Amino acid sequence: QMQLQQPGPGLVRPPETLSLTCTVSGGSISSSRYYWGWFRQSPGTGLVWVGSIFSSGTTYYNPSLKNRVTISIDTSKNHFSLKLTSVTAADTAMYFCAISYGDTWPDGFDIWGQGTMVTVSS
Amino acid sequence: SELTQPSAVSVSPGQTATITCSGDALPNQYAYWYRQRPGQAPVLVVYKDTQRPSGIPERLSGSNSGTTVTLTISGVQAEDEADYYCQSSDTTGTYVFFGGGTRLTVL
Repeated sequence: QMQLQQPGPGLVRPPETLSLTCTVSGGSISSSRYYWGWFRQSPGTGLVWVGSIFSSGTTYYNPSLKNRVTISIDTSKNHFSLKLTSVTAADTAMYFCAISYGDTWPDGFDIWGQGTMVTVSS
Repeated sequence: SELTQPSAVSVSPGQTATITCSGDALPNQYAYWYRQRPGQAPVLVVYKDTQRPSGIPERLSGSNSGTTVTLTISGVQAEDEADYYCQSSDTTGTYVFFGGGTRLTVL
């Protein structure tokens, strides 16, 4: 069973760049059998898909965040990363990473990380 | 592509809870359901409209009737109290969307 590990809570000052990694254990991030995603959840609100990446490097981003988001894979470290530029207080949220074993796009996300709380504040 | 869920559903233990999710793309795109307990990450409980991942009890089931999909929880237990989210896609199958979530309260 694959597992996803995320870092502890963090603080980012506006308008800097939010950077997060999700480390994969129990499997290879370069496998074409899976794809990966980032999600966020502001306090007391619902889930929002941020974007996804395939092992090939193909990415899909939420249109509302597309201009500020970059998701990438580092096969040497077996992790994938999220960068969100020009953050504001509205980007304060719990950020989750997840893996999909699905054979179609889009599919459900089967395994989730524990989440990282990111606070944007000066 | 908007997905609409009721904000809250309440049932007594042993009864059946139904949570709906409506969206224009649902006739052509699969729906997925997640359970999220307080302070925890989401857990996939139904995929491709009606399928259950291993480890999810049979009393949770999904159905699709066109523009509305439904998550049904039979014989509700206290442990079912959580937020439930539906997930689907836009009509082109490019982007991922979630419903606003439904808080299930077990009375």
